[in-house]
Amino acid sequence: SAVISQKPSRDICQRGTSLTIQCQVDSQVTMMFWYRQQPGQSLTLIATANQGSEATYESGFVIDKFPISRPNLTFSTLTVSNMSPEDSSIYLCSVDPRDTQYFGPGTRLTVL
Amino acid sequence: GEDVEQSLFLSVREGDSSVINCTYTDSSSTYLYWYKQEPGAGLQLLTYIFSNMDMKQDQRLTVLLNKKDKHLSLRIADTQTGDSAIYFCAESGNTGKLIFGQGTTLQVKP
Repeated sequence: SAVISQKPSRDICQRGTSLTIQCQVDSQVTMMFWYRQQPGQSLTLIATANQGSEATYESGFVIDKFPISRPNLTFSTLTVSNMSPEDSSIYLCSVDPRDTQYFGPGTRLTVL
Repeated sequence: GEDVEQSLFLSVREGDSSVINCTYTDSSSTYLYWYKQEPGAGLQLLTYIFSNMDMKQDQRLTVLLNKKDKHLSLRIADTQTGDSAIYFCAESGNTGKLIFGQGTTLQVKP
């Protein structure tokens, strides 16, 4: 298994600001993913964080709004830019170390 | 495109068995997963099954896969109040990304 931590665990932000969420894994993993869970909804994949290259974004998500970094095999960040109340969600990092996929505890974001 | 469907709500009495069902459309799915989410918490991986398997048992949990009908189920034996949560079914292909169902809220009555 993989142990994943995320910072911050929660935050309340003002409209128009940006927040960077960190994801740290206790072992090197090839694949890291960022998901969003809107209130009362299921999870939707935002992007795949690729080490050493640009992230791969899913339909409906763009780099300008959700820039992602992946400087090494144990760490990634997701930034939620120019936030609006519609960005209020739980943001989860996940990793796929060996054909099973584990999730971090999530970052609960509220935008006022 | 790929789609995963679950019923939204299930209510059972403590001690009974719970069966949560899921259907999916992607015939190239490699792995199918069950996750549990308790209120205010992240996702806990409960169990998973490889697509060439029919069944997997792990203590109180039994996963059944009917690949022909693209139907997955999770059976929880001797359901306890601590099992009350939202259960998500998810499937993945060889890209690693997961497609999730809407989640089934399991309510366990004492």
